Amino acid sequence: LAKTTQPISMDSYEGQEVNITCSHNNIATNDYITWYQQFPSQGPRFIIQGYKTKVTNEVASLFIPADRKSSTLSLPRVSLSDTAVYYCLVGAPGDKLIFGSGTRLLVRP
Amino acid sequence: GAVVSQHPSRVICKSGTSVKIECRSLDFQATTMFWYRQFPKQSLMLMATSNEGSKATYEQGVEKDKFLINHASLTLSTLTVTSAHPEDSSFYICSANGPGSYNEQFFGPGTRLTVL
Repeated sequence: LAKTTQPISMDSYEGQEVNITCSHNNIATNDYITWYQQFPSQGPRFIIQGYKTKVTNEVASLFIPADRKSSTLSLPRVSLSDTAVYYCLVGAPGDKLIFGSGTRLLVRP
Repeated sequence: GAVVSQHPSRVICKSGTSVKIECRSLDFQATTMFWYRQFPKQSLMLMATSNEGSKATYEQGVEKDKFLINHASLTLSTLTVTSAHPEDSSFYICSANGPGSYNEQFFGPGTRLTVL
């Protein structure tokens, strides 16, 4: 069973900020939280990874509360090209990854 | 960043034949690679963990005699689908743990297998 729970789908409009929340109630001490993006017929692409608090890179921010039982991926000012499936995964470095259902994000004009 | 390639990107074969898919880490060494299968509109399903120089570890329900995995070098793992049948038609994706401090997995572009 996947270790994470996410909304199945989300809709947004170009230019908006999108926040996707993931629940991982049984996260272990050694687990990191990693988000991937997948377009149709392509392999997943790494977006961001974090352990606690907030992580930001050039494409997204990741917010992790103190209890680490959830996390939120924030995509600022989405564009049509951000339409994809987003996966939240938890695991220790080097561990195998068990994918959940992911969140299908649709960005409308 | 770390790059993982797969070959072929697309293959069509007749039922009963065997198909080999290659997964390469192009600019780093990978002692561990992973193989996934993805059906249309579904998530990735982990099939097996491929360890360089040793036997692969298969997930429950995955037939090891049907899906042969060989990880003969630090940059190459192969998945052979033996005696393929139409129900084996799927998108096969490999990944490898990257060399960075995060040790995140880098995924290949995938191989679309169609069995007629």
